[in-house]
Amino acid sequence: QKEVEQNSGPLSVPEGAIASLNCTYSDRGSQSFFWYRQYSGKSPELIMFIYSNGDKEDGRFTAQLNKASQYVSLLIRDSQPSDSATYLCAVNMGSSASKIIFGSGTRLSIRP
Amino acid sequence: SAVISQKPSRDICQRGTSLTIQCQVDSQVTMMFWYRQQPGQSLTLIATANQGSEATYESGFVIDKFPISRPNLTFSTLTVSNMSPEDSSIYLCSVGGGGVDTDTQYFGPGTRLTVL
Repeated sequence: QKEVEQNSGPLSVPEGAIASLNCTYSDRGSQSFFWYRQYSGKSPELIMFIYSNGDKEDGRFTAQLNKASQYVSLLIRDSQPSDSATYLCAVNMGSSASKIIFGSGTRLSIRP
Repeated sequence: SAVISQKPSRDICQRGTSLTIQCQVDSQVTMMFWYRQQPGQSLTLIATANQGSEATYESGFVIDKFPISRPNLTFSTLTVSNMSPEDSSIYLCSVGGGGVDTDTQYFGPGTRLTVL
C-alpha cells in the first residue's frame, strides 16, 4: 500500500512566524512532489511542486525534498492569517507517473 | 494553467437516483481524473478518464457505480449511480499531463453532492 503521511494538526502559528509542514511517503520510486492548499469549502489549489532533492523557493513558500529519507516539507515564512487552510501533500506513484496520492492534510491556523 | 469548470456545483438527490457531473476544460489536456472528497477527509482517486477508451478505475470503485465518459480532450462526465447517503461527498475533476509539469494536476471547483 503506497502511502503519504501527514500530521493532521491543527498546527497553530503566530502571525509573522514560520510555519513548517511535513510529509513522508512510502514509494521510493516517486519522482514528483506537490503541495496543495485547500480553503474550507474550496477545491485544492497547487502552490508548489518539487522534483529534485534540496530546496525550492517561491515567494514566501519553500519546498524541501529529501528522497533518501522520503520526506518533503513546506515552509511558509512571514505567516499571514490568509495562510490558514488545510495543506495537502501529494506524491506521484512511481509506477504511474501521472497518478498522484494525497496525504490526509495538515490544518494550519495562523493566529493574529 | 487551464480553466476548469464543473456542473452542477451542488445538488441534493434522493437515494436510488443517479447524477451526472460534467467537467469542461478550456484547452486540450492529456489526462483527466475524478476524485472524491468525503467530509473532513482527503482526496481519493476514483478513476482516470481516458480519451477514446474505458476509464481506469482504482481499487474499490467500479464502472457500474461510477460510469465515466471522455468523448474528447476537453470534456468528461462522471455519473454516480443508484445513490445512497454514503455517496454524499464532494466530487472533483482534475486535469494534467500538459506542458513541462507533466505530473502536475489542477482541480476544478468541485460538485457538492448530498444524498437523502
